[in-house]
Amino acid sequence: GENVEQHPSTLSVQEGDSAVIKCTYSDSASNYFPWYKQELGKRPQLIIDIRSNVGEKKDQRIAVTLNKTAKHFSLHITETQPEDSAVYFCAASINTDKLIFGTGTRLQVFP
Amino acid sequence: DAGVIQSPRHEVTEMGQEVTLRCKPISGHNSLFWYRQTMMRGLELLIYFNNNVPIDDSGMPEDRFSAKMPNASFSTLKIQPSEPRDSAVYFCASSLSGGAGEAFFGQGTRLTVV
Repeated sequence: GENVEQHPSTLSVQEGDSAVIKCTYSDSASNYFPWYKQELGKRPQLIIDIRSNVGEKKDQRIAVTLNKTAKHFSLHITETQPEDSAVYFCAASINTDKLIFGTGTRLQVFP
Repeated sequence: DAGVIQSPRHEVTEMGQEVTLRCKPISGHNSLFWYRQTMMRGLELLIYFNNNVPIDDSGMPEDRFSAKMPNASFSTLKIQPSEPRDSAVYFCASSLSGGAGEAFFGQGTRLTVV
């Protein structure tokens, strides 16, 4: 079955700097790659997703890139703000079925 | 729509007791997932239903865990008997399968087994 690895497990950045989180997946049939943000004590919520027919997607300060050949995808947050502090999870699935999550990255943005 | 609704929000029970967690998915969604979240293991997929049918229960830790989905608007996750190591936050999520959209999570049930 699918296995998703995520790095780093923790990431600390200064406000205004960029943050990058990387994930790899094992099942070449996976075609849907969402990223979820989970604030302390709350539920995971989707922030951006990408499908295998595109290589990059942007939404304001966040972007995701996908390399199907290498089976890895990354989340990029630019101009980080303290409210970006949270745990970020990547996931992979086939057609949004059976989402398998990475182990999470705790991002801390220091003012 | 109120989103995915889980109950109870918090549950404290004694070891050996039966625990039942409940989930109401978003109306119209046909996929339902149960996840367990712990600090050590992150978000683990326990079981996945599609059109009320269990498709993959390979993540269910052992026979003490069981899940049902008797209709499109209700699912339960039962632990019998419960053990302290079952303490975690249990999330239910739903989506429209077939590539149509994201998975929405409920607020979770924080289970503590003492």
